[in-house]
Amino acid sequence: SAVISQKPSRDICQRGTSLTIQCQVDSQVTMMFWYRQQPGQSLTLIATANQGSEATYESGFVIDKFPISRPNLTFSTLTVSNMSPEDSSIYLCSVEARYEQFFGPGTRLTVL
Amino acid sequence: AQSVTQPDIHITVSEGASLELRCNYSYGATPYLFWYVQSPGQGLQLLLKYFSGDTLVQGIKGFEAEFKRSQSSFNLRKPSVHWSDAAEYFCAVAGNSGGSNYKLTFGKGTLLTVNP
Repeated sequence: SAVISQKPSRDICQRGTSLTIQCQVDSQVTMMFWYRQQPGQSLTLIATANQGSEATYESGFVIDKFPISRPNLTFSTLTVSNMSPEDSSIYLCSVEARYEQFFGPGTRLTVL
Repeated sequence: AQSVTQPDIHITVSEGASLELRCNYSYGATPYLFWYVQSPGQGLQLLLKYFSGDTLVQGIKGFEAEFKRSQSSFNLRKPSVHWSDAAEYFCAVAGNSGGSNYKLTFGKGTLLTVNP
């Protein structure tokens, strides 16, 4: 298994600003994923981040809005740019290990 | 493309009653299947998984699930529900091609309420 931490755990932001969410894993992993969970909804994959390459974004998500960094095998960041109230969600980081995915505790974002 | 359907948005059961949460998947080959639970304000916890072999899999907290290829189903069961089982349950499917093609797709979730 993998232990994942995220920072911040929650934040309240003003529209038009940006927030960077950090994800730290206790072991080296190849694949990291970022998900969004809108209020009362399921999880939607934003992008897959592999170390040493550009992130791969899912349909409906673009790099300008959700830039991702993956500087090494234990760390990744997701930035939510130019935020609007519609970006209010829980953002979760996860890692894959032997076809299982382990999830971080999430970052609860509220945009006013 | 892979997909997951959880037909029941909300289920209410009495404490001590049995439980079955339905999950149907769509995938072109043998899938990897998962059930996750999310308690209020908590992250996702893996209950159980199916990769291959015995189609009845046991998980944590007394849960089990049965893979039925003919019905494309992976229903979650528990013989006797406890009040602490109240949570949101998500079924998920992943392709087994691995590598850069690995992707986990979630169903919309089933909210379980447990009455005393």
